[in-house]
Amino acid sequence: DIVMTQSPESLAVSLGERATINCKSSQSVLYSGSNKNYIAWYQQKPGQPPKLLIYWASTRESGVPDRFSGSGSGTDFTLTINNLQAEDVAVYYCQQYYSSSWLFGQGTKVEIK
Amino acid sequence: EVRLVQSGPEMRKPGESLRISCQGSGYSFSDYWIGWVRQKPGQGLEWMGLIYPSDSNSKYSPSFQGQVTMSADKSIFSVYLQWDSLKTSDTAIYFCAKPAGPTDGYYYGMDVWGQGTTVIVSS
Repeated sequence: DIVMTQSPESLAVSLGERATINCKSSQSVLYSGSNKNYIAWYQQKPGQPPKLLIYWASTRESGVPDRFSGSGSGTDFTLTINNLQAEDVAVYYCQQYYSSSWLFGQGTKVEIK
Repeated sequence: EVRLVQSGPEMRKPGESLRISCQGSGYSFSDYWIGWVRQKPGQGLEWMGLIYPSDSNSKYSPSFQGQVTMSADKSIFSVYLQWDSLKTSDTAIYFCAKPAGPTDGYYYGMDVWGQGTTVIVSS
């Protein structure tokens, strides 16, 4: 299985500032046949199911604000939240869907400083 | 609107059996995989596996192989997660979710989620 490791476990960011979350896969999730990275990012707020934010490492899901962006390739990926808003307080997860087990990272909790 | 609606909360004793459900609507249910995800209290998301309702083809995460059984009844647009003998460590919220896509033959994450089913196992 491809294991996903996120960092940090939590971070506190001031309103309007940038939050950066990292995700590292135990092996490459770049599929040469499609030249796509099989990484998704989710946001989960308390009491709610996860919400898909980003797929193919950098493609925003429809309706997701453009302050959310994803980057990276191979084994190292980043979710960036620019201009942090109060409603962005949540836990964020990366997930690889390259292998048959679509494992998640352990999550990063984003709070307001 | 594509929706997944899960069955209600359950409380059981250790050793008891349980089956929870997830019913889809608003799309061709049989033609799309459905995944199951576990979330223990205060913890992260754990991938359990996928099932294809059309033929019940299932792919289990190694961590859950032999611990649970996924099944489907396409006639009523439903998939199930079943335990034969529950443990206290099975206490969690269980989500079903539909993979996004396929586009050009590729799935890309999970874009539709059920509301979650809380399972509490306690003596």
